[in-house]
Amino acid sequence: EAQVTQNPRYLITVTGKKLTVTCSQNMNHEYMSWYRQDPGLGLRQIYYSMNVEVTDKGDVPEGYKVSRKEKRNFPLILESPSPNQTSLYFCASSLDRPSYNEQFFGPGTRLTVL
Amino acid sequence: AQSVTQLDSQVPVFEEAPVELRCNYSSSVSVYLFWYVQYPNQGLQLLLKYLSGSTLVESINGFEAEFNKSQTSFHLRKPSVHISDTAEYFCAVSEGYGQNFVFGPGTRLSVLP
Repeated sequence: EAQVTQNPRYLITVTGKKLTVTCSQNMNHEYMSWYRQDPGLGLRQIYYSMNVEVTDKGDVPEGYKVSRKEKRNFPLILESPSPNQTSLYFCASSLDRPSYNEQFFGPGTRLTVL
Repeated sequence: AQSVTQLDSQVPVFEEAPVELRCNYSSSVSVYLFWYVQYPNQGLQLLLKYLSGSTLVESINGFEAEFNKSQTSFHLRKPSVHISDTAEYFCAVSEGYGQNFVFGPGTRLSVLP
């Protein structure tokens, strides 16, 4: 089954404790992206990647890191989480640029930073 | 940079009534426009998109949207809604060959029996 998976689905942590949210897709997609969803703000793009070893900042990259060492994986890293990073996070992938191609979304990761 | 406005944060409507969800965008270049839907506790799914050609685009479940360049709008309509249409709807824009993607704040559609 073609899908985007994220782990964990739920995470409660404390300020400053490094964490990684994994994202994997099995569709051989070139483009992958991370979004955060906050009430009243919709989805805001954090980082995106056009291909392996190619990443770029989205609209809200501060406090986040990403890597794209393999085509299928695009982990999101919070080196020192803070309470303002409490949010619902979605990973997405598309065959190529999202301008032309449908983005497929993972189920989401709900992160709470205390 | 492009931006998207969805003026209605919540739209309650009775079953079988028509509905329109409004979307306006701003951009200095040509754009591609999308509507994504998020059902409760799920990720987003593409509902329909405008890339070029006919300004009226349709989805398989009865929704349609019309691209209006002069009014910079891409409103979503359905002539008769069902309970199962209850979801949050996001309008999105991508500029030309751009790689990033901007979503609007979303409109929560609640279909009442």
